[in-house]
Amino acid sequence: GAVVSQHPSWVICKSGTSVKIECRSLDFQATTMFWYRQFPKQSLMLMATSNEGSKATYEQGVEKDKFLINHASLTLSTLTVTSAHPEDSSFYICSAPGGLEMNTGELFFGEGSRLTVL
Amino acid sequence: EDQVTQSPEALRLQEGESSSLNCSYTVSGLRGLFWYRQDPGKGPEFLFTLYSAGEEKEKERLKATLTKKESFLHITAPKPEDSATYLCAVADSWGKFQFGAGTQVVVTP
Repeated sequence: GAVVSQHPSWVICKSGTSVKIECRSLDFQATTMFWYRQFPKQSLMLMATSNEGSKATYEQGVEKDKFLINHASLTLSTLTVTSAHPEDSSFYICSAPGGLEMNTGELFFGEGSRLTVL
Repeated sequence: EDQVTQSPEALRLQEGESSSLNCSYTVSGLRGLFWYRQDPGKGPEFLFTLYSAGEEKEKERLKATLTKKESFLHITAPKPEDSATYLCAVADSWGKFQFGAGTQVVVTP
């Protein structure tokens, strides 16, 4: 099946620094990727939709200047948490649709990235 | 607004004790209902897609069913390795996914 790789799997940083998380589709091209945030025992919250070659679409309440998304190629999307603060500590997960038509097939998820901001 | 509600929040089973998880949903134009398994500290792993009421899918000890308002994930004779959080998600007519909060299943030997 389709594989999505996410890196790093965990990162600890100081408050005020920026952190970049990469999401790669390993054996298929993904014109669209999704970035989620998950708090303990809570649902995955969609943050933004990453579109190859164009600007990302952010969900309501998500600061686009805080969470920079770049989808530079058909296999790579990056999420940069800028000027991170402790409240940004969370589990970030990327995914890409794997169906024949975009968004009608299942989503394939990366392994997730645990961010801890001190 | 699309909504997905999963119950129970947590389920503790003895090995071999069958049970069912519920996913109730409201969505504008269902394009698909998805079940995922998530282990602690990992991304969700795809299990099933259901597209229309009456559809059923099976994989090993898991069986997923779908009606117009809800889906069930039946776990038959579970083993400890079935312990995980099971997530339900729906995709609406726009292709947007909405996830439930999940059911945490613990299977004890």
